Amino acid sequence: ETGVTQSPTHLIKTRGQQVTLRCSSQSGHNTVSWYQQALGQGPQFIFQYYREEENGRGNFPPRFSGLQFPNYSSELNVNALELDDSALYLCASSLAQSGAYEQYFGPGTRLTVT
Amino acid sequence: GNSVTQMEGPVTLSEEAFLTINCTYTATGYPSLFWYVQYPGEGLQLLLKATKADDKGSNKGFEATYRKETTSFHLEKGSVQVSDSAVYFCALLFSSGSARQLTFGSGTQLTVLP
Repeated sequence: ETGVTQSPTHLIKTRGQQVTLRCSSQSGHNTVSWYQQALGQGPQFIFQYYREEENGRGNFPPRFSGLQFPNYSSELNVNALELDDSALYLCASSLAQSGAYEQYFGPGTRLTVT
Repeated sequence: GNSVTQMEGPVTLSEEAFLTINCTYTATGYPSLFWYVQYPGEGLQLLLKATKADDKGSNKGFEATYRKETTSFHLEKGSVQVSDSAVYFCALLFSSGSARQLTFGSGTQLTVLP
């Protein structure tokens, strides 16, 4: 069974630029969620994708957007980067039909905005 | 709204000491509850879960019981090891529309000394 993978591991961008982060879900999982974890904080929910559509969103502006592909992999796009976007971005996959809806996390992408 | 409050760290213990990390929550309805662990430089690993009142989740010597009357899900371990040093996050899972999202506490840093 393949776990959740994310790429790249680290990324450095300049304020105002755009970034795309990628996630491959765990084998058999059909739902992907993205979280932002600022240094020293707990992760914050950005949004969730199921059947290639966004089906829930946290308190993040529209410049945070995403995609889910037919193979259930996903992208997180952030436009007009701000310094406060510096964080660890975590992808989590789950199976919508499972009873407890456990979410399994990837290792994350560390984004630094300068 | 939904929220999770964790005991503030950092927590430093000697090997073989007893561990308790307090977690209380506020939620509408009956969320599922989770403990995740994050080792340095890594993503989150699911440690244990409970899906209804009085359920006890357990894994690797860690335990937590879902207490509806006190809205708590405290993490315990009878004898900690150096390898347990990590950040521990309590989280609740709730449904928002068709999405199921995790709300995390701020995390508790545990250091176990030999």
